[in-house]
Amino acid sequence: KNEVEQSPQNLTAQEGEFITINCSYSVGISALHWLQQHPGGGIVSLFMLSSGKKKHGRLIATINIQEKHSSLHITASHPRDSAVYICAVSPLVTDKLIFGTGTRLQVFP
Amino acid sequence: GAGVSQSPSNKVTEKGKDVELRCDPISGHTALYWYRQSLGQGLEFLIYFQGNSAPDKSGLPSDRFSAERTGGSVSTLTIQRTQQEDSAVYLCASSLFSGSGNYGYTFGSGTRLTVV
Repeated sequence: KNEVEQSPQNLTAQEGEFITINCSYSVGISALHWLQQHPGGGIVSLFMLSSGKKKHGRLIATINIQEKHSSLHITASHPRDSAVYICAVSPLVTDKLIFGTGTRLQVFP
Repeated sequence: GAGVSQSPSNKVTEKGKDVELRCDPISGHTALYWYRQSLGQGLEFLIYFQGNSAPDKSGLPSDRFSAERTGGSVSTLTIQRTQQEDSAVYLCASSLFSGSGNYGYTFGSGTRLTVV
């Protein structure tokens, strides 16, 4: 079992839909990261969370430390949101990130 | 600079040749990481530098891989006698690490290495 699990692996949506990507982890962490990778592109860090909720534009990230679970929400999705979204955690015992396998999102007009 | 800079952005090399990949982290960031993303695979950790501590090399896949970080800043990842399975995107990241956590984790755009 992977230490960081994401669901779903693939997601398609119509423009304007509300999207949720989930991440569960099994290790103690100091922070959780949500990353975005466009096709052929580099990785952009969207959020780093250690508790509660953060919002940036149409993106919202939440984390429940007790349940070891985080969600990334995209409101009013747009085709340019199409990318792979990766959840990663900073374990307490090391600074190396542990990555989920990513969620491939496609938003159609 | 404003972000983590990696060079080259793309590299095609012949099997058996050596390659060097460069990472220029954000100024002041004490931690530097190398990760690899093979085609269709997730990201895997390679090596980690933190300040003046000995690097954590536990992710390096073979002794053909090595990395150094000069003056606590620029890092070079060297792959000797490249093999086709080394083809991947090599990502560098840096962060500011304090006793209370890891901050400002920033990725570079990666170097796409193709071994032919």
